[in-house]
Amino acid sequence: AQSVAQPEDQVNVAEGNPLTVKCTYSVSGNPYLFWYVQYPNRGLQFLLKYITGDNLVKGSYGFEAEFNKSQTSFHLKKPSALVSDSALYFCAVRDRGGATNKLIFGTGTLLAVQP
Amino acid sequence: GAGVSQTPSNKVTEKGKYVELRCDPISGHTALYWYRQSLGQGPEFLIYFQGTGAADDSGLPNDRFFAVRPEGSVSTLKIQRTERGDSAVYLCASSPDRRGEQYFGPGTRLTVT
Repeated sequence: AQSVAQPEDQVNVAEGNPLTVKCTYSVSGNPYLFWYVQYPNRGLQFLLKYITGDNLVKGSYGFEAEFNKSQTSFHLKKPSALVSDSALYFCAVRDRGGATNKLIFGTGTLLAVQP
Repeated sequence: GAGVSQTPSNKVTEKGKYVELRCDPISGHTALYWYRQSLGQGPEFLIYFQGTGAADDSGLPNDRFFAVRPEGSVSTLKIQRTERGDSAVYLCASSPDRRGEQYFGPGTRLTVT
């Protein structure tokens, strides 16, 4: 079974500092990995995805993620955090075992950026 | 363009009642997904439509849950004899096809009292 894990319930960072939100995966075969962000009372917004190619993926709002096959990780990063980045972040893997391509999500990490 | 819309945004119902939740996908998107997000958890897959047919309903928790998409566009998730454990945010997502990126709606927050 495919899964992702987000080991941190919450990450605190000061505005202007770099941020990292961790994600590890467990899949058979090549993974299709995603990051989504959820603001209060709003739906999930797509940030970026890794399908194949470069291990460093650039996405929306200045976020990027590094795919590391040996460590089975896909950590989300941003060089300089903004207070407006405070939100709930979800890592997900696409289930390629069947015809659905449904997403399997982690439990989420709350990012709090202090001014 | 218009994104995925869901109505109502909030629904409060009494235990045992029947509810319907509506999803309006992005125009032209053939793939439609329903997910359920319980408090403190990530979204969990419920059902997937390709066109009008439910291609995968393996995530539906029991036979009280049912969903339709009769014309291949709007979808309705139906829950019979609601229970307090059904309280959650129900998310809908659509995609140009099953391989495409999924775009999520704002969700319907269901509270069963």
